[in-house]
Amino acid sequence: ETGVTQSPTHLIKTRGQQVTLRCSSQSGHNTVSWYQQALGQGPQFIFQYYREEENGRGNFPPRFSGLQFPNYSSELNVNALELDDSALYLCASSLGSALNTEAFFGQGTRLTVV
Amino acid sequence: QQQVKQSPQSLIVQKGGISIINCAYENTAFDYFPWYQQFPGKGPALLIAIRPDVSEKKEGRFTISFNKSAKQFSLHIMDSQPGDSATYFCAASRDIYGGATNKLIFGTGTLLAVQP
Repeated sequence: ETGVTQSPTHLIKTRGQQVTLRCSSQSGHNTVSWYQQALGQGPQFIFQYYREEENGRGNFPPRFSGLQFPNYSSELNVNALELDDSALYLCASSLGSALNTEAFFGQGTRLTVV
Repeated sequence: QQQVKQSPQSLIVQKGGISIINCAYENTAFDYFPWYQQFPGKGPALLIAIRPDVSEKKEGRFTISFNKSAKQFSLHIMDSQPGDSATYFCAASRDIYGGATNKLIFGTGTLLAVQP
């Protein structure tokens, strides 16, 4: 176990709806990154939060937004859901420092948009 | 320049054999190369990682070989076991001094099946 927990584990939403996914980072970690993993593909970087501020964003539209709280837990919000948003959403926590450090992933949230 | 190309897409190996998965990258600024193992329904788990100042790193049955000039790196699984059957992803990232870390660029994955 990595100590990174995500909720919920599974979710079914209708096209056009909004969804919020949650992530609790590993104790002592101040950086949370979100990834989208489509079926049969590698994870794609959505964005990263470092000490409560967005710190880098991948090629995702603005309807993907996030938040990091003072305890370093994080939320991913997706508005106006599209069918192509169906994927496994992964949260990874790490300790921000001058050198790359290990990123530990949660088990993911499986989002299905119908 | 941000891509990481991974091959093969799938691999079948007999128990006790050697599994080899290859990755290639273009961005010479990448300086951290991890391998992740993912079982169905689970998140990726870090297996082993290497930095470009060394050409090889070994941890147990897992070895990364790194060729900086060719911009390639590979994962070797020695004495492959049925429990190693999973999807393996290579990744790369660039360290940004000052606290930003780990924007990982992943390969497309290799589905490994180790037959008993």
